[in-house]
Amino acid sequence: AQSVSQHNHHVILSEAASLELGCNYSYGGTVNLFWYVQYPGQHLQLLLKYFSGDPLVKGIKGFEAEFIKSKFSFNLRKPSVQWSDTAEYFCAVKNNQGGKLIFGQGTELSVKP
Amino acid sequence: GAVVSQHPSRVICKSGTSVKIECRSLDFQATTMFWYRQFPKQSLMLMATSNEGSKATYEQGVEKDKFLINHASLTLSTLTVTSAHPEDSSFYICSADGPGAGNTIYFGEGSWLTVV
Repeated sequence: AQSVSQHNHHVILSEAASLELGCNYSYGGTVNLFWYVQYPGQHLQLLLKYFSGDPLVKGIKGFEAEFIKSKFSFNLRKPSVQWSDTAEYFCAVKNNQGGKLIFGQGTELSVKP
Repeated sequence: GAVVSQHPSRVICKSGTSVKIECRSLDFQATTMFWYRQFPKQSLMLMATSNEGSKATYEQGVEKDKFLINHASLTLSTLTVTSAHPEDSSFYICSADGPGAGNTIYFGEGSWLTVV
């Protein structure tokens, strides 16, 4: 069965620190990969997505993610975080069979000013 | 991006009653809609997948007679929680996919259900 694993439950950083959130998935076929962000009290918003092509994907707000097929990973990165990046981040995978979007457990990011 | 809207955003109902949550795709045809449930500080749990005009497919462990899903049109899906109990209190989120969504699944704002 398809599954998504996010390694970090809660990450605490100071402003200007670099961020990397891990995401691994288990599915042998072709997948579409997503990172969503959920700010406190708000709904999910799409940060970035990968379907094919360049494995380094750039999203909104300075975020990027790299798809490494051999490692089944899709880690999210940002060189310098801001206090406003405090939120819950979800990695999600959609396969080409049935099209269900399966989420990881989520990572809570707290950025200290 | 595409817009998905849920209504109501918050609802309180008495135990034993039923409550309906609507999910609308505002600017594209949602051939498929998904319903999720999210507990505080936890991830989204997929409850069911519905394709327009057909019966919903429920995930294992989700009671289809309790969580009735209707997807009668390309822009509207409804989730009805029947005979609600306090343990049904949760954050329910819908999402939609279809032509015009750019192969991306867009989410509604979510609906907080509190059963008292």
